[in-house]
Amino acid sequence: NAGVTQTPKFQVLKTGQSMTLQCAQDMNHNSMYWYRQDPGMGLRLIYYSASEGTTDKGEVPNGYNVSRLNKREFSLRLESAAPSQTSVYFCAVLVRNEQFFGPGTRLTVL
Amino acid sequence: QKEVEQNSGPLSVPEGAIASLNCTYSDRGSQSFFWYRQYSGKSPELIMSIYSNGDKEDGRFTAQLNKASQYVSLLIRDSQPSDSATYLCAVNRGSSNTGKLIFGQGTTLQVKP
Repeated sequence: NAGVTQTPKFQVLKTGQSMTLQCAQDMNHNSMYWYRQDPGMGLRLIYYSASEGTTDKGEVPNGYNVSRLNKREFSLRLESAAPSQTSVYFCAVLVRNEQFFGPGTRLTVL
Repeated sequence: QKEVEQNSGPLSVPEGAIASLNCTYSDRGSQSFFWYRQYSGKSPELIMSIYSNGDKEDGRFTAQLNKASQYVSLLIRDSQPSDSATYLCAVNRGSSNTGKLIFGQGTTLQVKP
């Protein structure tokens, strides 16, 4: 996965619970991304970060927050999980105009 | 109209045949185009990128880009059962260099022995 790690691999939440998905890269690149993938929908961009300390919204940011406190890590937070947020979440890093993905987190919200 | 469209398939080809996967996009300003392969339960894996009109070959894979017609395709020669996966087309949003990609919904390829 080109040096991109994600934790946890699996998570089950109850509606209203909060959690943070973690993503880390060991390649010292600036741009990082969070996507969600739902059946038949392809990947959709939630948030991205062009550099340490900067973040911007993607296509589907509602219900999520992100944090890029340092160059290595980019976290995605669900403050109050909803069943509609059941999905597979992927983090990606931009390397010379190409994106490389982490292994993903499979999240189920009951 | 979706920004990036792919036929969801499944596309079924016999082993050894050529598999042809197609993708159309709506943003004429897009400059970068990518093909990812995704096995079931795994993350997308980049297999080809293409930026200029014409063909780009890498081993058994050939990407073709036609900006005037707004389509990009992927040909897989000598298809193998291990090529069975979902293939995702991705296009950068406009001419920006933010790396923001729009993905198609993917085409499932089945290669039968």
